[in-house]
Amino acid sequence: AQSVTQLDSQVPVFEEAPVELRCNYSSSVSVYLFWYVQYPNQGLQLLLKYLSGSTLVKGINGFEAEFNKSQTSFHLRKPSVHISDTAEYFCAVSALTGGGNKLTFGTGTQLKVEL
Amino acid sequence: NAGVTQTPKFRVLKTGQSMTLLCAQDMNHEYMYWYRQDPGMGLRLIHYSVGEGTTAKGEVPDGYNVSRLKKQNFLLGLESAAPSQTSVYFCASSSPLGESGYEQYFGPGTRLTVT
Repeated sequence: AQSVTQLDSQVPVFEEAPVELRCNYSSSVSVYLFWYVQYPNQGLQLLLKYLSGSTLVKGINGFEAEFNKSQTSFHLRKPSVHISDTAEYFCAVSALTGGGNKLTFGTGTQLKVEL
Repeated sequence: NAGVTQTPKFRVLKTGQSMTLLCAQDMNHEYMYWYRQDPGMGLRLIHYSVGEGTTAKGEVPDGYNVSRLKKQNFLLGLESAAPSQTSVYFCASSSPLGESGYEQYFGPGTRLTVT
């Protein structure tokens, strides 16, 4: 079984400052990793994903994440945030199980960007 | 393409009533999923389907039933609603490995309140 830990439930940050949202996972098999964003009263939208290859993954809206296998982490970063980045961010892990690509989600991190 | 759509968007039920939530996707995806989202708990998988006519239990299946009679539709039923089922319900769909890299596409959600 897989699990995902997002230690920070809320992250306040000023506009134009950098931000890092932390994600750690555990799994006994190889995994695929995802970050999704949820804007208020909307569904989830994929920010980026790691399947294989380069450990630095770039996504939409200027976000990037780095897969670190030894630390079992997949932290999300943005060098300069904007007010419009205020949203909830979910890290998720998927493993090959032969029964559909089920995702296990973290509990989410609320990013609040302030002026 | 509309992607993943959910009907209804909002619903209020009294304890003991029944209802069905409809999910439809127009991407010809094999896999479909139902999640519930509760504050501080992320998204939890209720049931999923790996193809027309097949369904399986997820992490929190009790109190729910599903059916996948057509490839493009996935129905979630509550036979006797309970206040503990007050939540936001999300449907998602995906293709098998090799077609979309395990990415799941989400609908806009259904907000259900059980009084």
